[in-house]
Amino acid sequence: GAVVSQHPSRVICKSGTSVKIECRSLDFQATTMFWYRQFPKQSLMLMATSNEGSKATYEQGVEKDKFLINHASLTLSTLTVTSAHPEDSSFYICSARGGGSSYEQYFGPGTRLTVT
Amino acid sequence: AQSVSQHNHHVILSEAASLELGCNYSYGGTVNLFWYVQYPGQHLQLLLKYFSGDPLVKGIKGFEAEFIKSKFSFNLRKPSVQWSDTAEYFCAVNAATGRRALTFGSGTRLQVQP
Repeated sequence: GAVVSQHPSRVICKSGTSVKIECRSLDFQATTMFWYRQFPKQSLMLMATSNEGSKATYEQGVEKDKFLINHASLTLSTLTVTSAHPEDSSFYICSARGGGSSYEQYFGPGTRLTVT
Repeated sequence: AQSVSQHNHHVILSEAASLELGCNYSYGGTVNLFWYVQYPGQHLQLLLKYFSGDPLVKGIKGFEAEFIKSKFSFNLRKPSVQWSDTAEYFCAVNAATGRRALTFGSGTRLQVQP
């Protein structure tokens, strides 16, 4: 099956700093990537949809200036958490799907962000 | 917008017991339906999916689910659970057209006791 990687798997940063998380599709071209956030013992909440070469579409309530998403190539999307605060601590998960009629999304292993 | 409800938040079963996890969705159009599993400390894995055709779909590890359109349901079943099935189970839907972003249910934590 298709493989999606995320880097880093864990990151601890200080409040006020920025953190970049990478999501890569390793063996297919992902025209669309999705970014989710998962709080402990809760479900995944969609943050934004990222299309290669265009601006991301953010879900209601997600600050686009705080969560910067870039999808510069068909295999890479990045999420930058700017000026991180402790409440941004969470598990961030990306998924990717190919183009055309592909319905299936492939999930990355997630990135655990802890802001101190 | 679509929504997904999972009614069982925490289920405890003994090994060899049968499992059924409920999932209902709300959406006015055509949907694709999914069940994902998240084992402790691991990432989401697809158990099974329904796009069209036979409403009874079989997935990995002996799981199956039945799409009942009239009830907007997609319940997950397994005739005999194992200790290794202990995990979090998520039902998800997406619209059959458009962005196809997934909407997840709140998840069901399954604990199988040996």
